[in-house]
Amino acid sequence: NAGVTQTPKFRILKIGQSMTLQCAQDMNHNYMYWYRQDPGMGLKLIYYSVGAGITDKGEVPNGYNVSRSTTEDFPLRLELAAPSQTSVYFCASSTYTDTQYFGPGTRLTVL
Amino acid sequence: AQSVTQLGSHVSVSEGALVLLRCNYSSSVPPYLFWYVQYPNQGLQLLLKYTTGATLVKGINGFEAEFKKSETSFHLTKPSAHMSDAAEYFCAVTESGGNQFYFGTGTSLTVIP
Repeated sequence: NAGVTQTPKFRILKIGQSMTLQCAQDMNHNYMYWYRQDPGMGLKLIYYSVGAGITDKGEVPNGYNVSRSTTEDFPLRLELAAPSQTSVYFCASSTYTDTQYFGPGTRLTVL
Repeated sequence: AQSVTQLGSHVSVSEGALVLLRCNYSSSVPPYLFWYVQYPNQGLQLLLKYTTGATLVKGINGFEAEFKKSETSFHLTKPSAHMSDAAEYFCAVTESGGNQFYFGTGTSLTVIP
């Protein structure tokens, strides 16, 4: 099993550009999550999904969008990149309310 | 709402000394509690978890934690620190039936040779 995979690993965006962060898992988990990690701030939940076709906002959803068309994939969309979105983004998956398995992260810089 | 407080953003211990990382939570319902470890430039990995049953839980790499309901705490300990334990540690809480996890701000552990 590959577990949770994320692409790209690194990305530099200009202000106003858009991009999609990809996340996939092969563990047949229903629950998937997107977090951002900023220094000294821990992890903040952006969006989560409890199954295909079902998504909901987390603590810091502004500036982001998600979709969940399949169990395996949970892409995160940034529409108009801003410097405040410079962060490390982690995708995670779990079976119900249990251990989360994290991807390796995407380091995004917005200049 | 649930929240997690990790006291001490940086902790330094000597190799072979006791490791104690503190975590307090707030939850209106019985919580599920987790400790994760993050090594540089990597994602988070589960160290241990408490859901129900025995309040003293053992995890990987010699770590353990005790759920104390009266103190709303879930402190992480290891009797003897190893150089390889140097990492960032996160405490997290959720509730049975809940959809969201809440993470603390993390504690960076340094092990001094």
